[in-house]
Amino acid sequence: EPEVTQTPSHQVTQMGQEVILRCVPISNHLYFYWYRQILGQKVEFLVSFYNNEISEKSEIFDDQFSVERPDGSNFTLKIRSTKLEDSAMYFCASIGTEETQYFGPGTRLLVL
Amino acid sequence: AQSVTQLGSHVSVSEGALVLLRCNYSSSVPPYLFWYVQYPNQGLQLLLKYTSAATLVKGINGFEAEFKKSETSFHLTKPSAHMSDAAEYFCAVSFGGYNTDKLIFGTGTRLQVFP
Repeated sequence: EPEVTQTPSHQVTQMGQEVILRCVPISNHLYFYWYRQILGQKVEFLVSFYNNEISEKSEIFDDQFSVERPDGSNFTLKIRSTKLEDSAMYFCASIGTEETQYFGPGTRLLVL
Repeated sequence: AQSVTQLGSHVSVSEGALVLLRCNYSSSVPPYLFWYVQYPNQGLQLLLKYTSAATLVKGINGFEAEFKKSETSFHLTKPSAHMSDAAEYFCAVSFGGYNTDKLIFGTGTRLQVFP
C-alpha cells in the first residue's frame, strides 16, 4: 500500500541552525501539507501546497519557514533559524482523489 | 468561529466494554469529518471519515462514527474495546467544504484499556 514517508525520523539541532525536513508524498497525489504537534498538544496546520505554490498558510508559518518541491517526488519544509519553540513532531500529509489526507510517520525535531 | 471540541482528554474502559469518544464541531457549512488514531511514537492513521454520504460511517478495527447534524457531533464508538485500542484519538474537521482543505484537529483523547 502506498504511504507517505518522512526523513529523518529524529533531528536534534542547535538554536539558530537551519533544518530541512523531507517528505515523499504518495506518488499520484497533488496536494501536500505540513502539520506540527508540540509535545502534549494538538496537531496544528502549518501550510498547504499545490501546483508548486503555497495554497494556504497558518499564522505559525512565518518568514522562518519555507516549503519546496525540488523535484517530482520530494516535498521539504525548511526552518531557517530554529527556535526552542520549534521543537515538535512535524507531519507531512498528501491527498489524492480519495478525499483523505494520508499522513507520514513524522519527524521529531528537538531544538537545544 | 469554526472549532473542534473533544470532550474528555482521557477515557478509560475495561477490555470488552463500549468505547465512546466524543467530538463536536462548530461550523455554518457541512464539514468533512475524520477520526485519526495515533499509537505511541507513531504517525496519524485514518480510522474513518464522513464526506456527505451515509451518516453512519464504519472504519477500521471495528470503529464507527455517526454524523449528527442537529447535534453538530461525530462521536466515535466501538462496541467492545480491545487492549490494542489503547492510543490517542483525534477528531479532525475540514471546514472549507472541499476535500483538499486543511484539517483542524481536536485536542485528542487518550484511550486506556484495562484488562
